[in-house]
Amino acid sequence: DSGVTQTPKHLITATGQRVTLRCSPRSGDLSVYWYQQSLDQGLQFLIQYYNGEERAKGNILERFSAQQFPDLHSELNLSSLELGDSALYFCASSVDPANYGYTFGSGTRLTVV
Amino acid sequence: GIQVEQSPPDLILQEGANSTLRCNFSDSVNNLQWFHQNPWGQLINLFYIPSGTKQNGRLSATTVATERYSLLYISSSQTTDSGVYFCAVPWGAGGTSYGKLTFGQGTILTVHP
Repeated sequence: DSGVTQTPKHLITATGQRVTLRCSPRSGDLSVYWYQQSLDQGLQFLIQYYNGEERAKGNILERFSAQQFPDLHSELNLSSLELGDSALYFCASSVDPANYGYTFGSGTRLTVV
Repeated sequence: GIQVEQSPPDLILQEGANSTLRCNFSDSVNNLQWFHQNPWGQLINLFYIPSGTKQNGRLSATTVATERYSLLYISSSQTTDSGVYFCAVPWGAGGTSYGKLTFGQGTILTVHP
């Protein structure tokens, strides 16, 4: 157990639907990062939150949004889902990336049918 | 942005063999991590190694930041070492973009009994 908790582990949904993925960072980590892993694009950074505020954005689609709550857990919302959104979605957290790097959760496998 | 190349793309070993995986990056970095993605999709942090050498059991890693490469050594390989090995560096030039990791495409390792 890495200490970063992601739920659900698996999600199957239909095109056009909306889903919410949840991440709880390791205790004490203020930063949360979301990544997408697809077969054709590999692992790509989506978005970062630090203590409730958005810090950085990567290749995140406009249909996707995220937030970090006061208890530091984060949610990634994916809407108007398309078949191509099927992927593994990872959350990572870090207390001090300059010295300790990042710890990843076990991921949520999203399948859009 | 920074480019990360891993080699070889695929590696097949017999149990007990040793191997070396390589990660080249196109710009200076001050943060580099190696991850193992197991067959269940979990991303496991192996090393945080911006420079120098670290060892953890049968695995060790060396990063030569001035020459922009890192090596991961696996000795006496076991079937449980199978999976995909990724290196990741901070996104963007200069290695200062903490949190936004650029991943290589990975090395797929298969260890046969």
